[in-house]
Amino acid sequence: DTGVSQNPRHKITKRGQNVTFRCDPISEHNRLYWYRQTLGQGPEFLTYFQNEAQLEKSRLLSDRFSAERPKGSFSTLEIQRTEQGDSAMYLCASSQGSGTDTQYFGPGTRLTVL
Amino acid sequence: DQQVKQNSPSLSVQEGRISILNCDYTNSMFDYFLWYKKYPAEGPTFLISISSIKDKNEDGRFTVFLNKSAKHLSLHIVPSQPGDSAVYFCAASADTQGGSEKLVFGKGMKLTVNP
Repeated sequence: DTGVSQNPRHKITKRGQNVTFRCDPISEHNRLYWYRQTLGQGPEFLTYFQNEAQLEKSRLLSDRFSAERPKGSFSTLEIQRTEQGDSAMYLCASSQGSGTDTQYFGPGTRLTVL
Repeated sequence: DQQVKQNSPSLSVQEGRISILNCDYTNSMFDYFLWYKKYPAEGPTFLISISSIKDKNEDGRFTVFLNKSAKHLSLHIVPSQPGDSAVYFCAASADTQGGSEKLVFGKGMKLTVNP
């Protein structure tokens, strides 16, 4: 399978705990994106990387959130001191990053904060 | 404010008939538009896209129409099949640096195709 993969698929945690999600993009893709989707809404942009450089961060990404892509391949999204409002589906997407470009999404990580 | 709007939350059609899904946008900087299909507990699956230099793009049973003056696009599925039943998202981006940046999504519309 050469698509975007995300781990874990599901995460249940208690309020105040830290969680980390991983995304492995399509191998030749330079750009990697993180989105968050809550019930009844479309995905909302959080941040994106061009290779290892983080180029844009949404205002949705509070200081409790941090994302990295250290070698320009996989990426991690960490949420510190989770809150119940962080419960959502976290989606990762990747694209080639040139020309008219299509983002391909992974299956997502469902986070539930109790 | 909602820059991409899908005003109808759901649509139900009979198998074999045409499904028309509509999407409106407000940001005139958007120049690339995409439709994604999403099943429960899965990520969005890319369906079809259109650049602002075109007004129509076709791929098999799926056709997307773009009306830039009205800031409106639509997805036509014909003939509709029960396997098309899913939530469909319209998305847009402003291609400012030669590669897509963030996508702005609508809230989605649930399509049900009845056998």
